[in-house]
Amino acid sequence: GESVGLHLPTLSVQEGDNSIINCAYSNSASDYFIWYKQESGKGPQFIIDIRSNMDKRQGQRVTVLLNKTVKHLSLQIAATQPGDSAVYFCAESLGQGGKLIFGQGTELSVKP
Amino acid sequence: GAVVSQHPSWVICKSGTSVKIECRSLDFQATTMFWYRQFPKQSLMLMATSNEGSKATYEQGVEKDKFLINHASLTLSTLTVTSAHPEDSSFYICSVTGTSGDRISTDTQYFGPGTRLTVL
Repeated sequence: GESVGLHLPTLSVQEGDNSIINCAYSNSASDYFIWYKQESGKGPQFIIDIRSNMDKRQGQRVTVLLNKTVKHLSLQIAATQPGDSAVYFCAESLGQGGKLIFGQGTELSVKP
Repeated sequence: GAVVSQHPSWVICKSGTSVKIECRSLDFQATTMFWYRQFPKQSLMLMATSNEGSKATYEQGVEKDKFLINHASLTLSTLTVTSAHPEDSSFYICSVTGTSGDRISTDTQYFGPGTRLTVL
């Protein structure tokens, strides 16, 4: 089912440091995973995705790691900048146009 | 990706009135659109899946008669909150996804900027 939290976990990092945001997903049959960034008052913005036949995928300053054994997904942001401050959501789906199930989100705060 | 707009970006209405929110796919013909609701400090909750030319599929617990969805064209879906009450106050967000053969995948969803609804 959908994950709804009463409060958001927070991660505070210093500007220039690397950030690691973790997500535990629920369905071992999930085939597709996405990370979204959501700034205050805005809609989620696509960051990076990965399919279950991969364990790592890199983008610009971001890397997603997938560990299917323990149903764990992580987002690594290199050289974190103040503009990276936002709430980050992971989402999973069974693929083939199936629904996305969102995690509870993590609020990233970058200190200058 | 796909560029998605929503209108209005925010709306305040009195209890008992109806409010219509538009979701437009600006650069892509979206066969499928999704409507989500998000309360403060919480995750996105899927309300319904909207397919062009057919009835929307609602998630369990979402009242179809209260949240009317119309997806009359490949670029426009509307969500009408009927007889709105204060508990309907929320952030409503739509997303689009592709179909097989499209330039965007069937799995990736691209979101609009959201509509903030406040019911007094």
